[in-house]
Amino acid sequence: DAGVIQSPRHEVTEMGQEVTLRCKPISGHDYLFWYRQTMMRGLELLIYFNNNVPIDDSGMPEDRFSAKMPNASFSTLKIQPSEPRDSAVYFCASSFWGYEQYFGPGTRLTVT
Amino acid sequence: LAKTTQPISMDSYEGQEVNITCSHNNIATNDYITWYQQFPSQGPRFIIQGYKTKVTNEVASLFIPADRKSSTLSLPRVSLSDTAVYYCLVGGNRDDKIIFGKGTRLHILP
Repeated sequence: DAGVIQSPRHEVTEMGQEVTLRCKPISGHDYLFWYRQTMMRGLELLIYFNNNVPIDDSGMPEDRFSAKMPNASFSTLKIQPSEPRDSAVYFCASSFWGYEQYFGPGTRLTVT
Repeated sequence: LAKTTQPISMDSYEGQEVNITCSHNNIATNDYITWYQQFPSQGPRFIIQGYKTKVTNEVASLFIPADRKSSTLSLPRVSLSDTAVYYCLVGGNRDDKIIFGKGTRLHILP
């Protein structure tokens, strides 16, 4: 298996633009997680899905953030409109169950 | 969900054994202890997981005392490439909120 795949690897955008991050989990994994990592706040769980259903989105910072998982092999995290404070590395991870997760390489987002 | 406490940073030298201890005083009966490693510019990588006593794999050993209120990740004969942040997580319920915390920044010196 190729592991968790994320795209794009780097994204630079201007404030106010829509940003869409994509994730393909490892085949057969029931859980999918989206995290955000910054120097100040560390690694934060934003939302996670079980069998394509969002279970806990309490970490999503505000309504500008949304995530979907239309099928078992694809998920998106969307920010609209983006702001400079959204600049961070966004990781997607998948697992059979919660505590043995496999992370993707991350998307480094810069909002200017 | 059990809260964990681990040192913010540690230094060691190549070839030494490194032990990182994590405290989790309110661990629940069904909680597992899981450790991750994160290199700069990469996502965290699962290292090892255990419930009690000792677990060993090709990367590390995990020691868990009988009361399970702490655990120790042991890295044998570290090299410069073991410089990373190490996270201790505790939980077991499928609906637990997973919290990584700040981790321990391990710096290996030549």
